[in-house]
Amino acid sequence: KQEVTQIPAALSVPEGENLVLNCSFTDSAIYNLQWFRQDPGKGLTSLLLIQSSQREQTSGRLNASLDKSSGRSTLYIAASQPGDSATYLCCFQGGSEKLVFGKGTKLTVNP
Amino acid sequence: DVKVTQSSRYLVKRTGEKVFLECVQDMDHENMFWYRQDPGLGLRLIYFSYDVKMKEKGDIPEGYSVSREKKERFSLILESASTNQTSMYLCASSSGGGPSYEQYFGPGTRLTVT
Repeated sequence: KQEVTQIPAALSVPEGENLVLNCSFTDSAIYNLQWFRQDPGKGLTSLLLIQSSQREQTSGRLNASLDKSSGRSTLYIAASQPGDSATYLCCFQGGSEKLVFGKGTKLTVNP
Repeated sequence: DVKVTQSSRYLVKRTGEKVFLECVQDMDHENMFWYRQDPGLGLRLIYFSYDVKMKEKGDIPEGYSVSREKKERFSLILESASTNQTSMYLCASSSGGGPSYEQYFGPGTRLTVT
């Protein structure tokens, strides 16, 4: 059964710091890896999607990478801001329409 | 931009009531999904649908049913609500034709069953 693990579960950093969130998965038969942001009590907002043929995707201060051989993805946030405070979820899509989600990393960026 | 809307942000129901949660998407997506999200358990898939009148069980379908009479609308039904169904319910949609498509989520419905 596919498992998706996110480390750390929580992270607190000062404003301006660059940071990396980690996601690992057990099944190498991946179609895509998607990163989401969730604010408290809200739905999920899609940040980046990396297809299996890609190694990374960038959007503004965010960069997501995918290493299928090691079963890992990272989300890099540059020059963090208090508005980046949220829970970040990664999810794995294999050979079906179903997604498998990690439990998330709760990020706090302190002013 | 894709828009996924859910009928209620907050809902309070009594044990034994029949509960309907509605989800509508405006991008002509083939696939629609219902998840529930609980602290410490993450997101879990309840049901999904590939097309009108099609449905597939997810990981935790017990106590739930779904209806998809129109392409844009996917309803989650709690036939007899119980307190263990208190949760955040999230609807999502994606385009069809293969699994490598982005999922878009609605704002969520916080359901409390008393």
